[in-house]
Amino acid sequence: KNEVEQSPQNLTAQEGEFITINCSYSVGISALHWLQQHPGGGIVSLFMLSSGKKKHGRLIATINIQEKHSSLHITASHPRDSAVYICAVSTGNQFYFGTGTSLTVIP
Amino acid sequence: NAGVTQTPKFRILKIGQSMTLQCTQDMNHNYMYWYRQDPGMGLKLIYYSVGAGITDKGEVPNGYNVSRSTTEDFPLRLELAAPSQTSVYFCASSYSGGYPNTEAFFGQGTRLTVV
Repeated sequence: KNEVEQSPQNLTAQEGEFITINCSYSVGISALHWLQQHPGGGIVSLFMLSSGKKKHGRLIATINIQEKHSSLHITASHPRDSAVYICAVSTGNQFYFGTGTSLTVIP
Repeated sequence: NAGVTQTPKFRILKIGQSMTLQCTQDMNHNYMYWYRQDPGMGLKLIYYSVGAGITDKGEVPNGYNVSRSTTEDFPLRLELAAPSQTSVYFCASSYSGGYPNTEAFFGQGTRLTVV
């Protein structure tokens, strides 16, 4: 069993839809990260959080420490949001990664 | 501010060849990591380093070696390339300690094919 589980694995949405990606983890963490990976591209950090909620433009990340669960929301989705979204947790010296959610937003 | 720089971006190796993947960061981060990313799998840790002169194995170290002679550089060495090492490799760095110091910064990745 992976330390970090994401759902769904794949997601297709129409432009403008509200999108939610979920992440559950099973280890004690110092922080949770949401990362974005475009096809053929590198990985960039979207959020790092250890409690509550953070917002960047149309992206919102929430975390519930007691339930060991986080969600990434995208409001008014756009085709340029198409990417793989990866949930990761940091604990001590290491990071553990989910397998990613592949999002495709259709115009 | 360059962040984490990885070279090369692409490489094709023949079985048994060796190569070094270069990684440099200019953020004075203590921690550096090498990961591999295989289709449908999460990133797997190969090796990591908590500072110059200190390295340790991750989850999948076999077939790889690393060194950390300076804070900035963390090269990954493949000695005898095998098809199982075909993957995308990412170097990353972070500050030491817990939140809020553990934001990870990633290189652009190296796509390696062993034939």
